[in-house]
Amino acid sequence: AQTVTQSQPEMSVQEAETVTLSCTYDTSESDYYLFWYKQPPSRQMILVIRQEAYKQQNATENRFSVNFQKAAKSFSLKISDSQLGDAAMYFCAYRSSNFGNEKLTFGTGTRLTIIP
Amino acid sequence: NAGVTQTPKFQVLKTGQSMTLQCAQDMNHEYMSWYRQDPGMGLRLIHYSVGAGITDQGEVPNGYNVSRSTTEDFPLRLLSAAPSQTSVYFCASSSLRKREPEAFFGQGTRLTVV
Repeated sequence: AQTVTQSQPEMSVQEAETVTLSCTYDTSESDYYLFWYKQPPSRQMILVIRQEAYKQQNATENRFSVNFQKAAKSFSLKISDSQLGDAAMYFCAYRSSNFGNEKLTFGTGTRLTIIP
Repeated sequence: NAGVTQTPKFQVLKTGQSMTLQCAQDMNHEYMSWYRQDPGMGLRLIHYSVGAGITDQGEVPNGYNVSRSTTEDFPLRLLSAAPSQTSVYFCASSSLRKREPEAFFGQGTRLTVV
């Protein structure tokens, strides 16, 4: 079974600075997807970024980028130029690409605080 | 485009009562699922479905029942509510097509069982 570990329960960053959230995972599969979801106080789960395991290039979405290290099974999220609206719970998630195994496995989350 | 619609947003139940959480999606997604979110535990899979008429258990299925009679709807039934089922519940849907792997979530239901 796959597992996802987020070892930082809480992080804080000064507004406009850069912060990196860590995520490691365990799997025996070679083809899979990784995601970062954001959960603001509204409780809505919002997709931030996704990475396909077969792609070597790290995904980027505006101020959000990932450092995907497949051999190390590491998938960190970097947020540049942090804004007050980035304050939220962030979840790392894994999904197999194999048919019949589409469930998402989540980490326990990292609560990010932005300091004005 | 409504995406995933989940109701209600809040619910308080007494121990032993039953209720149904509703979930509907309008994206023609084959895969639908229910998760519960508890502090310090992330989201855990309760039940899932890969299409109409097909359901299966996830990680924490006890005390819950599901059915999938249409592609759009995937209700979650609590048979006899217990305080341990106090949680936030999310419905999610996703495509089984490989280029569209991301899940879309409903707004969540905060359930309190007293």
